[in-house]
Amino acid sequence: GEDVEQSLFLSVREGDSSVINCTYTDSSSTYLYWYKQEPGAGLQLLTYIFSNMDMKQDQRLTVLLNKKDKHLSLRIADTQTGDSAIYFCAESRSGNTGKLIFGQGTTLQVKP
Amino acid sequence: ETGVTQTPRHLVMGMTNKKSLKCEQHLGHNAMYWYKQSAKKPLELMFVYSLEERVENNSVPSRFSPECPNSSHLFLHLHTLQPEDSALYLCASSQEGGRNSPLHFGNGTRLTVT
Repeated sequence: GEDVEQSLFLSVREGDSSVINCTYTDSSSTYLYWYKQEPGAGLQLLTYIFSNMDMKQDQRLTVLLNKKDKHLSLRIADTQTGDSAIYFCAESRSGNTGKLIFGQGTTLQVKP
Repeated sequence: ETGVTQTPRHLVMGMTNKKSLKCEQHLGHNAMYWYKQSAKKPLELMFVYSLEERVENNSVPSRFSPECPNSSHLFLHLHTLQPEDSALYLCASSQEGGRNSPLHFGNGTRLTVT
């Protein structure tokens, strides 16, 4: 199937780590992406990982990929109130570059 | 100007009106997209243009009519819309042909149909 699934809501305290999870179904996925959407804005590309990698770190962001379980996660260290947004995971499939399959988005609420 | 810009940011129209949404990308990309984002629904891909040719139309009603005059500009012409068409319409672009082609989005047009 085409589904990319995410939990809908996550609430954390400022300074804690946030972990947003995503599962996908297509084993032919080549790249997996994380996008951030702030209120009133479009989707901003945060980071991505190639399917032959299992981890990628970029400053406060860590992406983990378990290809066997088709599970992707985004960890945000030292979460700040400015990180409050909707986070979308998306997959790109082999031979289908540019057409991304998106999850329904996880709303991250950061409490002071 | 950098990135992907969309105008207008907000649009209110009656069901009998005709209006157009505009998108411009300044990234040198060769593919452009229209997505619809409704509350509590996943992003819906509407149209894909690659090298100015429409390569995908995901069963979108004919009251939505896209136009891509060149690789930098994309329009969505709207006529006789329904209230359920109220949504955020997002334009995106990408560079096709490479292994990694992430989408770059504009800030969207918030459309309200009354």
